[in-house]
Amino acid sequence: GENVEQHPSTLSVQEGDSAVIKCTYSDSASNYFPWYKQELGKRPQLIIDIRSNVGEKKDQRIAVTLNKTAKHFSLHITETQPEDSAVYFCAAQRRISGNTPLVFGKGTRLSVIA
Amino acid sequence: DARVTQTPRDKVTEMGQEVTMRCQPILGHNTVFWYRQTMMQGLELLAYFRNRAPLDDSGMPKDRFSAEMPDATLATLKIQPSEPRDSAVYFCASGLAGSLAGYTFGSGTRLTVV
Repeated sequence: GENVEQHPSTLSVQEGDSAVIKCTYSDSASNYFPWYKQELGKRPQLIIDIRSNVGEKKDQRIAVTLNKTAKHFSLHITETQPEDSAVYFCAAQRRISGNTPLVFGKGTRLSVIA
Repeated sequence: DARVTQTPRDKVTEMGQEVTMRCQPILGHNTVFWYRQTMMQGLELLAYFRNRAPLDDSGMPKDRFSAEMPDATLATLKIQPSEPRDSAVYFCASGLAGSLAGYTFGSGTRLTVV
């Protein structure tokens, strides 16, 4: 089955700096890669996702890149703000052509220091 | 906004008791996941349903856990008998297979077994 590795497990950045979180996956047939943000005591919320037919996607200060050959994808947050502090999870799934579950990485705890 | 509804929000029970957690997926969604979240293990997949049929429950301890979808509007996760190590937050998530939309998480059930 799919295995997703996520790094780093914790990340501290100064407000205004950029943050990068990286994930690798094992199933070359995976084609759907979402990122979720979870604030303390709350549910994970989808912030951005990418499918294997694109290499990069942006939404304001958030961008995700995908390298299918290397089987890794990354989340980039620019101009970080204190409200970006949360745990971020990446995930992978063979969504379109298969019936595989959504498998998550272990999460990255991001702290943005004002 | 459409929501995934989970009940109860919090449950404290004694070891050995039966626990039932419920999830109402978003109307029209045909894919349901159950995840368990702990500090040590992150988001672990317990069960995965599509069109009410179980597709993957390999992450679930079969001797004490069971997951069902008696109808399209209700998914249940039961633990019998419960043990202290089952203490965690249990999340349900739903989505529509083949769509471009992401999966939505419920608010979770925080289970404490004493």
